[in-house]
Amino acid sequence: DGGITQSPKYLFRKEGQNVTLSCEQNLNHDAMYWYRQDPGQGLRLIYYSQIVNDFQKGDIAEGYSVSREKKESFPLTVTSAQKNPTAFYLCASQGYNEQFFGPGTRLTVL
Amino acid sequence: GNSVTQMEGPVTLSEEAFLTINCTYTATGYPSLFWYVQYPGEGLQLLLKATKADDKGSNKGFEATYRKETTSFHLEKGSVQVSDSAVYFCALTLFSGGYNKLIFGAGTRLAVHP
Repeated sequence: DGGITQSPKYLFRKEGQNVTLSCEQNLNHDAMYWYRQDPGQGLRLIYYSQIVNDFQKGDIAEGYSVSREKKESFPLTVTSAQKNPTAFYLCASQGYNEQFFGPGTRLTVL
Repeated sequence: GNSVTQMEGPVTLSEEAFLTINCTYTATGYPSLFWYVQYPGEGLQLLLKATKADDKGSNKGFEATYRKETTSFHLEKGSVQVSDSAVYFCALTLFSGGYNKLIFGAGTRLAVHP
């Protein structure tokens, strides 16, 4: 089945640690996105990538980094510079006129 | 700027009641409009979409019509079920700055009771 997978489903981070969230797609889509969701709010764009080896900052990129070495993969690193990282993170890829979403990773800072 | 406004929740209904969730938008150009649904602990699923004025999107008994004159895309369902309990997001997409930018409303939580 084609789709987007994210791992892990739950992630716990200590203060000062970097953590990496995985996102893989087998839909053969060029463009991929990372969003952050906070309770009671809509989704906000962190980073996006239109093609391999290229990515751009979204609306709330500070404290995050990404890479796009393969078409299928778009990992997100939450660095220690992100002061309030506890949130639900969603990865998406762009199909024809719609975005497809993964199941999400819930990150909690201890 | 471009934005989406949807009614605040939670919306609480009894099973088989009629549902309306209001959504209005502000956009430059000609956006496509979407409703996404999020079940507890899951990602977003596309519920329905409309790509131009007067288009009606429909799926699983839900409907929404793209109204350019009122800049609205209200979600309706004639008879809700308990399984419809979820958070519903209205969104628009524009090709801006070289990519497809998806702009979301804040979401409306729907709770359906037996």
